[in-house]
Amino acid sequence: AQRVTQPEKLLSVFKGAPVELKCNYSYSGSPELFWYVQYSRQRLQLLLRHISRESIKGFTADLNKGETSFHLKKPFAQEEDSAMYYCALGSGSARQLTFGSGTQLTVLP
Amino acid sequence: DSGVTQTPKHLITATGQRVTLRCSPRSGDLSVYWYQQSLDQGLQFLIQYYNGEERAKGNILERFSAQQFPDLHSELNLSSLELGDSALYFCASSPRQGAGEQYFGPGTRLTVT
Repeated sequence: AQRVTQPEKLLSVFKGAPVELKCNYSYSGSPELFWYVQYSRQRLQLLLRHISRESIKGFTADLNKGETSFHLKKPFAQEEDSAMYYCALGSGSARQLTFGSGTQLTVLP
Repeated sequence: DSGVTQTPKHLITATGQRVTLRCSPRSGDLSVYWYQQSLDQGLQFLIQYYNGEERAKGNILERFSAQQFPDLHSELNLSSLELGDSALYFCASSPRQGAGEQYFGPGTRLTVT
């Protein structure tokens, strides 16, 4: 069975500092990984997917199959990045998402 | 609003009762997914429909059922409710049968007393 682990429930960094949100996965097939974000009082929305290898709002994430990781990184955190971040793995023909438990990021002024 | 909509926003009911949660997908999206978010289990996939047909099942209890109608809206029916069913229920939609890129609704908060 697939599993997604986000080891940090809470993460605080100062504005302008680098930030890394960790995500590890366990899956026997070919993984499709995503990062979803939920800003305060807003709905869950897609931030990044590993297939597109793009940078959104300054965030990047690289799939490391050897370490089974998909960590989310940003070199200079901004206060508006404060949110709940979920790592998710898409599997099965329906690509249903298996979510990690989430990391609440707080960027301090 | 052309995004995913869910009604009602909040629902408070008693144990043993039955409720129906409704979801309208984004315009043009044929796939609807249902997820449950609870404090102890986190976000869990329940069930997926594509163009009216059930396509995938997750950890959905037998007391729960869903369907997708010809106009593509979906309903999640929860019966014989227990206290542990209290949770946020999210609906998500996508244009394809299997797409990890999903668009989420605001959720329905169910409280069972």
